[in-house]
Amino acid sequence: GAVVSQHPSWVICKSGTSVKIECRSLDFQATTMFWYRQFPKQSLMLMATSNEGSKATYEQGVEKDKFLINHASLTLSTLTVTSAHPEDSSFYICSASRSSGQYFGPGTRLTVT
Amino acid sequence: GENVEQHPSTLSVQEGDSAVIKCTYSDSASNYFPWYKQELGKRPQLIIDIRSNVGEKKDQRIAVTLNKTAKHFSLHITETQPEDSAVYFCAASYRSDNNDMRFGAGTRLTVKP
Repeated sequence: GAVVSQHPSWVICKSGTSVKIECRSLDFQATTMFWYRQFPKQSLMLMATSNEGSKATYEQGVEKDKFLINHASLTLSTLTVTSAHPEDSSFYICSASRSSGQYFGPGTRLTVT
Repeated sequence: GENVEQHPSTLSVQEGDSAVIKCTYSDSASNYFPWYKQELGKRPQLIIDIRSNVGEKKDQRIAVTLNKTAKHFSLHITETQPEDSAVYFCAASYRSDNNDMRFGAGTRLTVKP
């Protein structure tokens, strides 16, 4: 149990375009999901907390209008990187919370050219 | 907010030896302390966790100890094997539903055969 999927696993896009990343909890319902960003050889940096049916809570320094989060159902949260730039290239990982802990998706590697 | 520090950043041991990774946290309200293992390019996997009402927890070759007074907790791996090589992250959360976790910077463990 506690399987979290993420799609796509990797994506390459051109500067200025938008990219949507999906995070799904496959075998449980998650009222709360989290989006992290991880640079090479670095830790997981929390970007935002996604709450089902309400607005996401963003960490300090994370631009709300650039990283749009939608948590429309108990099993799906999406992160849209708008007007992507090369500095947005990173590994984005979501996680879903349940009473037994937080479970991570496999991550999405975004490369902006 | 919570601040989690992790040491060492890198650790190299010989196969069969023990490995110890230490973390400290700042928020005395934190009550949930998980440890994650992340292999290169993969998702973090929860390997063990401990709650503040317990001082030690063991699962086969891995164990975690918690000292609430000193606000530090440690991961112990005994009889290390090459497949234990990975990056290990500690985390701390002050919410009973495990949300709002803050991660340490990670420890890159290398087990030499």
